[in-house]
Amino acid sequence: KAGVTQTPRYLIKTRGQQVTLSCSPISGHRSVSWYQQTPGQGLQFLFEYFSETQRNKGNFPGRFSGRQFSNSRSEMNVSTLELGDSALYLCASSIGTGGNTEAFFGQGTRLTVV
Amino acid sequence: AQSVTQLDSQVPVFEEAPVELRCNYSSSVSVYLFWYVQYPNQGLQLLLKYLSGSTLVKGINGFEAEFNKSQTSFHLRKPSVHISDTAEYFCAVSDGAGRRALTFGSGTRLQVQP
Repeated sequence: KAGVTQTPRYLIKTRGQQVTLSCSPISGHRSVSWYQQTPGQGLQFLFEYFSETQRNKGNFPGRFSGRQFSNSRSEMNVSTLELGDSALYLCASSIGTGGNTEAFFGQGTRLTVV
Repeated sequence: AQSVTQLDSQVPVFEEAPVELRCNYSSSVSVYLFWYVQYPNQGLQLLLKYLSGSTLVKGINGFEAEFNKSQTSFHLRKPSVHISDTAEYFCAVSDGAGRRALTFGSGTRLQVQP
């Protein structure tokens, strides 16, 4: 069974640009969550999608957005990039939305903003 | 609101020695508890989880953890570590109210020396 696939693995963008990251969950998983990992702030929850609907959102500015498609694939978008957006962005998929369901993580997309 | 505290940022240990990585949490509701491991340039892999029942939980790679409700702790242990256990370890909680979002601790870097 294929794991969670995130593309691209590495990305370099210029301040002020926008970026779109993609996540393909494990087959049959309908919940996709996104996390940001930085040395200073650690791992922080961005948002969760289930059946194309955003169910939960972390404490991030509106420049961070996401969506989920009918095949459960998800994208997250960051507009007007800032240097502080440089981070490893991790996607996790789960069968369901309960807090007791296991989250399977992808390898992440390393975003560098210059 | 929930929070997770990992008391040690780095733990150096010699190969074949026992190790304990400490985790304390704070929450106003019941929680589910998880330990994840992250190898360099990789995503997160679930080591073990506590959902309910027996407070001693066994995971992969010989790791185990004990849930202590009165001390709000969920310490990770391994009786004999290997060089290959060198990695970053994260303790995380999700709330029992059904929200999928994970709150992570700041991580503990386990450095196994020969």
